[in-house]
Amino acid sequence: SAVISQKPSRDICQRGTSLTIQCQVDSQVTMMFWYRQQPGQSLTLIATANQGSEATYESGFVIDKFPISRPNLTFSTLTVSNMSPEDSSIYLCSFGTTRDTQYFGPGTRLTVL
Amino acid sequence: AQSVSQHNHHVILSEAASLELGCNYSYGGTVNLFWYVQYPGQHLQLLLKYFSGDPLVKGIKGFEAEFIKSKFSFNLRKPSVQWSDTAEYFCAVMEEYKLIFGTGTRLQVFP
Repeated sequence: SAVISQKPSRDICQRGTSLTIQCQVDSQVTMMFWYRQQPGQSLTLIATANQGSEATYESGFVIDKFPISRPNLTFSTLTVSNMSPEDSSIYLCSFGTTRDTQYFGPGTRLTVL
Repeated sequence: AQSVSQHNHHVILSEAASLELGCNYSYGGTVNLFWYVQYPGQHLQLLLKYFSGDPLVKGIKGFEAEFIKSKFSFNLRKPSVQWSDTAEYFCAVMEEYKLIFGTGTRLQVFP
């Protein structure tokens, strides 16, 4: 099965700065997704990363805050912009080889001071 | 939109005890249901899934789940837990290829 990796695994950032998280899958996949897991809470879908077109964002998430790129079928980035302490979370990417099952990366633990 | 409820937030068991974690989703029709597990310090892993067919689904590490359509439930079970089952367990339903997760159940198993 495909292997998915994320970089960085964790980071500590200052308020007002931005961080770009990379997600790499070792084979071509149709669908890639970005989730957020806030402390003590469940996973919430941020957006679907569409190859060659703009990402599709869920309610409560906007492109200006979380710009996403998907330049090809194996790679995607999520940027957390103008960060505040409320953005401290684990950010996970996932991929789906079909419409039915998703596999998750190891996550990026972000702390904003 | 679908929602998922996991009523057990924190479960503490001794080894060899039986486990049942509750999961309910909000409305019917055709549903794809999942249980994911997150062991301490590790990433989220698929435990088992239900798409159709036999409502009793077997997964990895001796886990199983039963889909009961009339109750909108997909409870996770294991007859005898081990210390290594200590983890966070998430139930999820798929809606238009998006996963909607429950709040998770933290399971602690003591030797």
